[in-house]
Amino acid sequence: DAKTTQPPSMDCAEGRAANLPCNHSTISGNEYVYWYRQIHSQGPQYIIHGLKNNETNEMASLIITEDRKSSTLILPHATLRDTAVYYCIVTHFGNEKLTFGTGTRLTIIP
Amino acid sequence: DVKVTQSSRYLVKRTGEKVFLECVQDMDHENMFWYRQDPGLGLRLIYFSYDVKMKEKGDIPEGYSVSREKKERFSLILESASTNQTSMYLCASSSPSGGSYEQYFGPGTRLTVT
Repeated sequence: DAKTTQPPSMDCAEGRAANLPCNHSTISGNEYVYWYRQIHSQGPQYIIHGLKNNETNEMASLIITEDRKSSTLILPHATLRDTAVYYCIVTHFGNEKLTFGTGTRLTIIP
Repeated sequence: DVKVTQSSRYLVKRTGEKVFLECVQDMDHENMFWYRQDPGLGLRLIYFSYDVKMKEKGDIPEGYSVSREKKERFSLILESASTNQTSMYLCASSSPSGGSYEQYFGPGTRLTVT
């Protein structure tokens, strides 16, 4: 699986859009980008995944660059409950062995 | 909603004890996983199982074993606990039938070995 690089921490004001970047320059053509988050004292929670097209669900949007070497997770209107560690994972679809790095610690500021 | 439960939130054991961590999921998922999480190291996969009585080693299986006798239950066993196994242990389950392969996690068990 391709390696990912994320900033260790970010802050975002409550109510603003939180944009979390992820670099995955060695991604191969059949690898997907997955995002999970982990709120303090809880297990990780799946957010969204995509291959090359932008994706949106009730939680977030995922923007993948045309060359697929980077992506951005967007939380459109961040709330205090979005404070968590966010993990970007690149893996082949159907590969159950996910590799979680250390992620980005997102803090939403009131 | 998918629910993954773990037998204990906090556990304290002594060095050399045999430790059982239990995980149960209620969504008839085929796949189940055990991870440990340590500061600065992220989540690391210990073992996973694709089916009853099937198991495969993850990235850090040394010092651990697993048991899956029933589809809904996946146990992690520390045969002789050591202090370097003090960690947060997370169980997860998933099913390929949903198409997204998303994993559902339990709340975790914080194990301290003294």
